[in-house]
Amino acid sequence: GNSVTQMEGPVTLSEEAFLTINCTYTATGYPSLFWYVQYPGEGLQLLLKATKADDKGSNKGFEATYRKETTSFHLEKGSVQVSDSAVYFCALSEGYKLSFGAGTTVTVRA
Amino acid sequence: SAVISQKPSRDICQRGTSLTIQCQVDSQVTMMFWYRQQPGQSLTLIATANQGSEATYESGFVIDKFPISRPNLTFSTLTVSNMSPEDSSIYLCSVEDSGAGNTIYFGEGSWLTVV
Repeated sequence: GNSVTQMEGPVTLSEEAFLTINCTYTATGYPSLFWYVQYPGEGLQLLLKATKADDKGSNKGFEATYRKETTSFHLEKGSVQVSDSAVYFCALSEGYKLSFGAGTTVTVRA
Repeated sequence: SAVISQKPSRDICQRGTSLTIQCQVDSQVTMMFWYRQQPGQSLTLIATANQGSEATYESGFVIDKFPISRPNLTFSTLTVSNMSPEDSSIYLCSVEDSGAGNTIYFGEGSWLTVV
């Protein structure tokens, strides 16, 4: 079956630091890959997505590249802000079903 | 992207009672889903809400505990029945937006605490 494994947290960074959250997946076919973000006290928001190999998704300074050869979709941001403090979820879909990773809590300190 | 509204946003419920959560979408969508996020956990799919027919439940979830309605293409309800503290969770409605490359979007969630 499909599954997503993402880096365990929590992760604590200083403002302007570089952020990487690792995500690898197992899928039987050719899934679409997503990063969702959940800010404190809020619901889930789509951050970025990629639908095929070598696609790069980007939004709000975050990037992730769909790497089929390593079955990975690592999230990166070059310079984080306090407002990036949130829980980040990696997910894949085949068809309409989403499989989520466990989530990584990121805290950015001023 | 589709705009999804859920009600209630938060509630504190008594053990043994039932609560119905409403989900309204601003456009017609074919696929609507209900997820649960238990405290500090990831999201788990409860069921797919099918318009005009019974919902399709995932393993571990049953209709008696989580009855779902889907009367049209813009609205769905999830009832959490006979609640216990273990049902304290965020319940999220989501839709597949075919106009956005079949991306799945989520509502703000309904945060339920059972006491």
